[in-house]
Amino acid sequence: DGGITQSPKYLFRKEGQNVTLSCEQNLNHDAMYWYRQDPGQGLRLIYYSQIVNDFQKGDIAEGYSVSREKKESFPLTVTSAQKNPTAFYLCASSTRDRRTEAFFGQGTRLTVV
Amino acid sequence: GENVEQHPSTLSVQEGDSAVIKCTYSDSASNYFPWYKQELGKRPQLIIDIRSNVGEKKDQRIAVTLNKTAKHFSLHITETQPEDSAVYFCAAPDHSGGYNKLIFGAGTRLAVHP
Repeated sequence: DGGITQSPKYLFRKEGQNVTLSCEQNLNHDAMYWYRQDPGQGLRLIYYSQIVNDFQKGDIAEGYSVSREKKESFPLTVTSAQKNPTAFYLCASSTRDRRTEAFFGQGTRLTVV
Repeated sequence: GENVEQHPSTLSVQEGDSAVIKCTYSDSASNYFPWYKQELGKRPQLIIDIRSNVGEKKDQRIAVTLNKTAKHFSLHITETQPEDSAVYFCAAPDHSGGYNKLIFGAGTRLAVHP
């Protein structure tokens, strides 16, 4: 069953903690993306990667880090430097063709407690 | 880079009425315009897309129109049903820096009332 999987679905973080959100895809897509979604707002790009071992900052990269050691995996770490991390995080993947569909994971809801 | 603006932010219609959501984009080189639907608590899913070599595309009750001169594209939903209630996002590709990524509009929350 091909697709893109995020885990966990819900995550609670204490103040000052780093947490890592998992994103795995078996669609053989080169490109992967992380978006943040806040209530009433659109999808804001955090980081993206077009190829293994390469990634670029999006519009709101501060306080986040990523790695792309494998084509299938693009984990996002929310660091303690991110002052307002409570949000819904969506991972997506696509081919590198500029005119193809992006497939989304089911999202991770992160809450600071 | 690309900038996408979407209007309205909320839209309320009666079942059976039509709904129209409009987006504008800034990069005249953009050539692909998808629309995503996100139901409450779920992932966004592609519902229709259009490429810049056509002006309109239809799929049953939904259609997308593109005006390249004015740099705007619109989603049209006819004969709306309660299950159309969701948040709809438009997007356009950003090729700045030699990298491809999708830039999304802020979303439109559509409510269809029985």
